[in-house]
Amino acid sequence: QKEVEQDPGPLSVPEGAIVSLNCTYSNSAFQYFMWYRQYSRKGPELLMYTYSSGNKEDGRFTAQVDKSSKYISLFIRDSQPSDSATYLCAMSISSGSARQLTFGSGTQLTVLP
Amino acid sequence: EPEVTQTPSHQVTQMGQEVILRCVPISNHLYFYWYRQILGQKVEFLVSFYNNEISEKSEIFDDRFSVERPDGSNFTLKIRSTKLEDSAMYFCASSETAPATNEKLFFGSGTQLSVL
Repeated sequence: QKEVEQDPGPLSVPEGAIVSLNCTYSNSAFQYFMWYRQYSRKGPELLMYTYSSGNKEDGRFTAQVDKSSKYISLFIRDSQPSDSATYLCAMSISSGSARQLTFGSGTQLTVLP
Repeated sequence: EPEVTQTPSHQVTQMGQEVILRCVPISNHLYFYWYRQILGQKVEFLVSFYNNEISEKSEIFDDRFSVERPDGSNFTLKIRSTKLEDSAMYFCASSETAPATNEKLFFGSGTQLSVL
């Protein structure tokens, strides 16, 4: 079983739709959860960060963590064509000395105008 | 907004040759990282670097790999005796604070390494 699993998509939605992106994980030691956005030929860009179960909202983005189910989600409201990118979930264990992010494989999202 | 700069954007090399990938982290950042992403696969951690020494490294970072901060601005990844399986996009990243909780990693745009 992979440590982090993410549906690769591709996912195509019309502009204005609500998008739901999901990851599951198997290692209960993961404590910190992130969502990155990666545009084509660019490096990952941190979108959302959370470390507790529940919801965290930032503008049109909501990150949801359910540690009991080992499941995280990213919701995008009122999706825009500029949201078209690959979305990567990432998780880390507090190692105290360095960051070793474990990434999901990414979900490719296309928002159609 | 400050950004991490990587050069070159593409690097082609023959198997067995040495390559150096270059990065200029954000100027006030103290922690530096290399990640790689093989086409169609996950982003993978290679190494972290702080205070002129390696903090942690992954199994991928074998003795063919080395990192260096030769001056106050550059951070380099050297791969000796390159193999076909080294072909990947290599990302440099940096962060201002110690990697513990919610610090933000800033990634460069990557160097696409192709080993022929």
